[in-house]
Amino acid sequence: EAQVTQNPRYLITVTGKKLTVTCSQNMNHEYMSWYRQDPGLGLRQIYYSMNVEVTDKGDVPEGYKVSRKEKRNFPLILESPSPNQTSLYFCASSPGTGTNQPQHFGDGTRLSIL
Amino acid sequence: AQKITQTQPGMFVQEKEAVTLDCTYDTSDPSYGLFWYKQPSSGEMIFLIYQGSYDQQNATEGRYSLNFQKARKSANLVISASQLGDSAMYFCALDRDNYGQNFVFGPGTRLSVLP
Repeated sequence: EAQVTQNPRYLITVTGKKLTVTCSQNMNHEYMSWYRQDPGLGLRQIYYSMNVEVTDKGDVPEGYKVSRKEKRNFPLILESPSPNQTSLYFCASSPGTGTNQPQHFGDGTRLSIL
Repeated sequence: AQKITQTQPGMFVQEKEAVTLDCTYDTSDPSYGLFWYKQPSSGEMIFLIYQGSYDQQNATEGRYSLNFQKARKSANLVISASQLGDSAMYFCALDRDNYGQNFVFGPGTRLSVLP
């Protein structure tokens, strides 16, 4: 089954404790992105990647890191999480083969930073 | 900067009636794409419909159609014959360079379908 898998689905942690949210897709997609969703703001792009070792900042990259060492994986790293990073996070991928290709989204990761 | 505006935080519609969800966008690029996604209460993001800036005709997908007015920079979603299962958040998104990688989303509209 074609899918984008995020882990964990839920996480409660404390300020300053490094965490990683993993994202993996099995569709051989070129493009991958991370978003955060906050009430009244919709989804805001954090980082995106066009291919292995190629990443770029989205609209809200501060406090986040990403890496794309393999095509299928695109982890999101919070080196020193803070309460304002409490949010619902989505990973997404798209083929990169056409302009009308929709993104496929993971099920989301709900992070609470205390 | 490119931006998406959805001016209706919440909408109600009677079952079986049609409803229009508004979306206006701001971009200076001549090539762009517009997407609509549905997010039910379970949280997943479901792709509904796509419109390219150079498409001559309005996009349609089943009960969904897109009223694309390029000069007004609007891309309103029309849902015909609403069903209870249409109750959800709806997001309009702009593919800023039409490469399928760099998106900006609107704040969303919560649609409630009444029986």
